[in-house]
Amino acid sequence: DAMVIQNPRYQVTQFGKPVTLSCSQTLNHNVMYWYQQKSSQAPKLLFHYYDKDFNNEADTPDNFQSRRPNTSFCFLDIRSPGLGDAAMYLCATSSRTAQGYTFGSGTRLTVV
Amino acid sequence: QKEVEQNSGPLSVPEGAIASLNCTYSDRGSQSFFWYRQYSGKSPELIMFIYSNGDKEDGRFTAQLNKASQYVSLLIRDSQPSDSATYLCAVNEGDSSYKLIFGSGTRLLVRP
Repeated sequence: DAMVIQNPRYQVTQFGKPVTLSCSQTLNHNVMYWYQQKSSQAPKLLFHYYDKDFNNEADTPDNFQSRRPNTSFCFLDIRSPGLGDAAMYLCATSSRTAQGYTFGSGTRLTVV
Repeated sequence: QKEVEQNSGPLSVPEGAIASLNCTYSDRGSQSFFWYRQYSGKSPELIMFIYSNGDKEDGRFTAQLNKASQYVSLLIRDSQPSDSATYLCAVNEGDSSYKLIFGSGTRLLVRP
């Protein structure tokens, strides 16, 4: 089945130690998104790629970076995680004809 | 700032009742409206989308849209305990057909 896959499902990292979260898709959607969601809050868009074009939200901290080496894969890099970066990170995809987003299962990040 | 507002709840209804979830949005240019269901610790799952004023029915779910009032709602008929989840309303940014703004969700509790 076509889907969006996020790895790992759970990630524990040390304060200040760089961490990378990954997302892959078999839907061939041209738009990929990274959202951060904290408990009882709305998902917050960090950035998105429209094809190869990177679009950063104005309030996304510089600590967060992203790479999209090809259509199928997208990575979220957190250069120096702080305790406030503990959250669920959601990858989503969409296309011009898609009805809404398709989300991956998310990565729960814990910072110790 | 473009916003999507939802009552956080919890909305508690008995099994078999109709649950009514509401959402207001600030961007008059929005054209696409989505309801996602999110179980605790899981990623959002699309359950309904609506583009035109009026009602749209899909099984036990009915989405209602009133663009003049900037109001969208979700009705769940014959509520089941398995419907207990957080329901996120999402609206596209008026100047982007593929970028969604999410509300923080309404927690629904269906009592057996």
